[in-house]
Amino acid sequence: EVQLVQSGAEVKKPGESLKISCKGSGYSFTSYWIGWVRQMPGKGLEWMGIIYPGDSDTRYSPSFQGQVTISADKSISTAYLQWSSLKASDTAMYYCARSASFFGSLRQLDYWGQGTLVTVSS
Amino acid sequence: DIVMTQTPLSLSVTPGQPASISCKSSQSLLHSDGKTYLYWYLQKPGQSPQLLIYEVSNRFSGVPDRFSGSGSGTDFTLKISRVEAEDVGVYYCMQSIQLLRTFGQGTKVEIK
Repeated sequence: EVQLVQSGAEVKKPGESLKISCKGSGYSFTSYWIGWVRQMPGKGLEWMGIIYPGDSDTRYSPSFQGQVTISADKSISTAYLQWSSLKASDTAMYYCARSASFFGSLRQLDYWGQGTLVTVSS
Repeated sequence: DIVMTQTPLSLSVTPGQPASISCKSSQSLLHSDGKTYLYWYLQKPGQSPQLLIYEVSNRFSGVPDRFSGSGSGTDFTLKISRVEAEDVGVYYCMQSIQLLRTFGQGTKVEIK
């Protein structure tokens, strides 16, 4: 069974750093892309970026380039999303999701993690 | 960026009745490889989004056949033939033809 299990909710202060995780199981982690999607409170879905754990090829939405860092450790089948200096506006639910391809067919985000709620407040 | 525009933004449906959601893209989603990269997701209350339809009209594994997708180019439709109580939530379309993926604003479906 394909599963993406994300790390738990976080409460942070502005200016703090944070790294959240997404652990894949039930499939070949290095053969699929992992994307990250933001959902601000009461809002819709925003695509942030994507990584291919096989070779760490990473692509970012221009809106998030320089604001976050996406990485992966294939040895433990885990992808990460990190911030060096959080802002209150980073308060949101963050989802990871799997994709078979970024450039070819089968580009759908087919399996999703349960989400990690990040709250940034002083 | 490709803008995805969904209508309506909310829908109240009697159980057993059909429902339809439109999604229009600002550019054609037909790729040179012949595929059209348009997807539909449902986010049930308190849950993660789940894939319903990929490449316009293909139901994902386990998705009931009351869900169907259609369309081409820039105009797409998700239809639910007979709405059930478990279909409540927010429906999103998404395009993947460009490197920058974008979602529609979402359509909230409620049961009357």
